[in-house]
Amino acid sequence: DADVTQTPRNRITKTGKRIMLECSQTKGHDRMYWYRQDPGLGLRLIYYSFDVKDINKGEISDGYSVSRQAQAKFSLSLESAIPNQTALYFCATSVAGDQPQHFGDGTRLSIL
Amino acid sequence: DQQVKQNSPSLSVQEGRISILNCDYTNSMFDYFLWYKKYPAEGPTFLISISSIKDKNEDGRFTVFLNKSAKHLSLHIVPSQPGDSAVYFCAASPYYGQNFVFGPGTRLSVLP
Repeated sequence: DADVTQTPRNRITKTGKRIMLECSQTKGHDRMYWYRQDPGLGLRLIYYSFDVKDINKGEISDGYSVSRQAQAKFSLSLESAIPNQTALYFCATSVAGDQPQHFGDGTRLSIL
Repeated sequence: DQQVKQNSPSLSVQEGRISILNCDYTNSMFDYFLWYKKYPAEGPTFLISISSIKDKNEDGRFTVFLNKSAKHLSLHIVPSQPGDSAVYFCAASPYYGQNFVFGPGTRLSVLP
């Protein structure tokens, strides 16, 4: 079983819809992250959480929200999806901020 | 403005030869660097790291070199194997635990 699991793996939806991407981990790490990957831009940080009560905005948080339901679960929501949010989304975990992160296999999201 | 740059979007190398992937950064506060490898339909996986107290770190076929004065690091793969074909991301962080900034990635193709 994967240590960091993202669901769904693929999603196609329409502009204006509310979307939730889910991430769960079995690594026992306190820190969790959401990134998006776009061609030519690498991975950009959307939100990160140091623990259940600590959530922080990343570089590109506008249009997104998150919820840390438990140490093991961190979900990303798009309240009203727009086409430029079409991207590959990754969840990651780490022991500490300066330690290597462990990534899920990604969610490919297409917004029409 | 990208703080971490990988100016070669792609690189092709013959099997058995050396692959050299380059990364440049602009923030002089960056003190800790990672390389990740990503296969299609999978998340990035950690490959090797280096901190500013070193100028070289080696792990098997992979060696990372850091030139702090030039704000440049490189990943050497010797000898290159077809299984090394992937996208490689460079990431940088200040050592006091802040989040990593990722480069846009370089796609390496190792030809048999």
